[in-house]
Amino acid sequence: QVQLVQSGAEVKKPGASVKVSCEASGYTFTNHYMHWVRQAPGQGPEWMGMINPSGGNTNYAQNFQGRVTMTRDTSTNTIYLEVSSLRSEDTAVYYCARETRHGSGSSCDYWGQGTLVTVSS
Amino acid sequence: AIQMTQSPSSLSASVGDRVTITCRASHAIRVDLGWYQAKPGKAPKLLIYAASILQSGVPSRFSGSGSGTDFTLTISSLQPEDFATYYCLQDYNYPWTFGQGTKVEIK
Repeated sequence: QVQLVQSGAEVKKPGASVKVSCEASGYTFTNHYMHWVRQAPGQGPEWMGMINPSGGNTNYAQNFQGRVTMTRDTSTNTIYLEVSSLRSEDTAVYYCARETRHGSGSSCDYWGQGTLVTVSS
Repeated sequence: AIQMTQSPSSLSASVGDRVTITCRASHAIRVDLGWYQAKPGKAPKLLIYAASILQSGVPSRFSGSGSGTDFTLTISSLQPEDFATYYCLQDYNYPWTFGQGTKVEIK
């Protein structure tokens, strides 16, 4: 069965960086794009960007350009999200999600359990 | 970026009620839209993709319709486990964008 298992909660100080991992299993890792979505307390979800595990190409939301890096390791079926220059507004639960393509469009059909990142001095 | 305007932002309903949530895109997005259910402390769950296709395992009381700019999620008979927040998400182009959400509460 498809599983996406994320790394554990993090507490960081403003200005620091955080790296969250998401290990995939139960399917062919390189066949599905992967996305990162975050949800701040009391807010709706926010799409951060995507990575193609096959070629490593990425597409980031403009809000995160320059502060976010998405990478993958095909030897361990793992993707990573690194966010730098953290500020209090980055406190959120970060989710990875698998994309499945359909005849028209795509969807995120499997999600990780979420990783809480708290930014506090 | 394509803006997704969802309405209402919240609603109160009773078990057994029919509930309708709408999402409007700022540009035409064909049928490249999904509906997701979110509950506190849990990852969003895919309900509908390609505007109207029910995800495997999702109860048939959920349905979706629409194309272009106007989309609808309908719950035909609200069940206790359906009290949650619902979001639309356009996957027509990057950046993908979510609607602001509709919180479905118990009347």
